[in-house]
Amino acid sequence: GAVVSQHPSRVICKSGTSVKIECRSLDFQATTMFWYRQFPKQSLMLMATSNEGSKATYEQGVEKDKFLINHASLTLSTLTVTSAHPEDSSFYICSALLDKTYEQYFGPGTRLTVT
Amino acid sequence: GIQVEQSPPDLILQEGANSTLRCNFSDSVNNLQWFHQNPWGQLINLFYIPSGTKQNGRLSATTVATERYSLLYISSSQTTDSGVYFCAVGDDGYSGAGSYQLTFGKGTKLSVIP
Repeated sequence: GAVVSQHPSRVICKSGTSVKIECRSLDFQATTMFWYRQFPKQSLMLMATSNEGSKATYEQGVEKDKFLINHASLTLSTLTVTSAHPEDSSFYICSALLDKTYEQYFGPGTRLTVT
Repeated sequence: GIQVEQSPPDLILQEGANSTLRCNFSDSVNNLQWFHQNPWGQLINLFYIPSGTKQNGRLSATTVATERYSLLYISSSQTTDSGVYFCAVGDDGYSGAGSYQLTFGKGTKLSVIP
């Protein structure tokens, strides 16, 4: 139980284009999902908290107009990287909060490369 | 915000050896999770342990909340245990506005060699 999927697992895009990453909780409903970014050999950095039916809460220093988050249902949150640049290349990981235990369960991550 | 320190940063073990990973945190917490990030990047939940002791097979964890630390024990290590072990803590309850966030330590990179 408590499985989270992410799609795509890898994406390569050209500078200036937009990329959408999907995060789904497969066997539970998640009111709250989180988006993280991880640089090579570093820890996870929280980018934003996504709440179903309301606006996302972004961490300090994260541009909300660049990283658009939509949590349209209790099983799906999306992160869109708009006008991507090479410095946006990173490993993006989502998690979903299991309401009854308050544990976070993580997706397998999406490796974004912007050329 | 809360600070999380993990030690050691790197650990190399011979297969079959035991190890203890430590996580210190700077303030009271009501959420503590241990994760294993495998070489492909997937974070796997090991324990949800804001206090007390839990065991799951060769792994066990203890959190002493009053002294602000948690320990992860790995016994009879296997090569598949290799990867990065993260401790993550949360220090606020649900208030309806971006709560239940986790702060991650920098991790312990474990390499188990045959």
